[in-house]
Amino acid sequence: AQTVTQSQPEMSVQEAETVTLSCTYDTSESDYYLFWYKQPPSRQMILVIRQEAYKQQNATENRFSVNFQKAAKSFSLKISDSQLGDAAMYFCAYRVPSGTYKYIFGTGTRLKVLA
Amino acid sequence: DTGVSQDPRHKITKRGQNVTFRCDPISEHNRLYWYRQTLGQGPEFLTYFQNEAQLEKSRLLSDRFSAERPKGSFSTLEIQRTEQGDSAMYLCASSLRLAGTGELFFGEGSRLTVL
Repeated sequence: AQTVTQSQPEMSVQEAETVTLSCTYDTSESDYYLFWYKQPPSRQMILVIRQEAYKQQNATENRFSVNFQKAAKSFSLKISDSQLGDAAMYFCAYRVPSGTYKYIFGTGTRLKVLA
Repeated sequence: DTGVSQDPRHKITKRGQNVTFRCDPISEHNRLYWYRQTLGQGPEFLTYFQNEAQLEKSRLLSDRFSAERPKGSFSTLEIQRTEQGDSAMYLCASSLRLAGTGELFFGEGSRLTVL
């Protein structure tokens, strides 16, 4: 069964600094998608970044980038130049590559940004 | 507003009562998902619709839970004879049937409190 593990329940970062959130997953599939979603307090979840497993190049979106290590089944999120608005719960997710295409989420990491 | 909308946003009920949540997905999205999120946990998959067909149900979805998506548009999630363990945030999400991207768009959720 596919699983997603986020081992850091909470992280703190100073404003303008860089922080890395960890995620590992387990799957026997070779082609799949991975995602990071952000859930601000009392707000809806929004997509931060996605990575296709068949692509070796790590995805980047402005201040957000990932370190995708397929063999290690590791998918970390790096946030550069952290801003107060980055404070939120961050969820790593694996998308089942066929059928329902449902997402399997980790337990989340709460990111605090200190002014 | 063309996002996913959920109603009601908050529901407080007494144990044993029935509750119903509604989700209106983005209009052109034919895939609709229900997730449940409890405090400190990531979203857990409940059920999936493709158009009006319910194609997968999680084992988390006991006989007291029923979901429908008549005509492939809005969806309802009903919980009968609520229990305190049903207290959670119920999230609805939708996506297009595109094998490549499959980004999930989430609503703000319906928070259920069972007294």
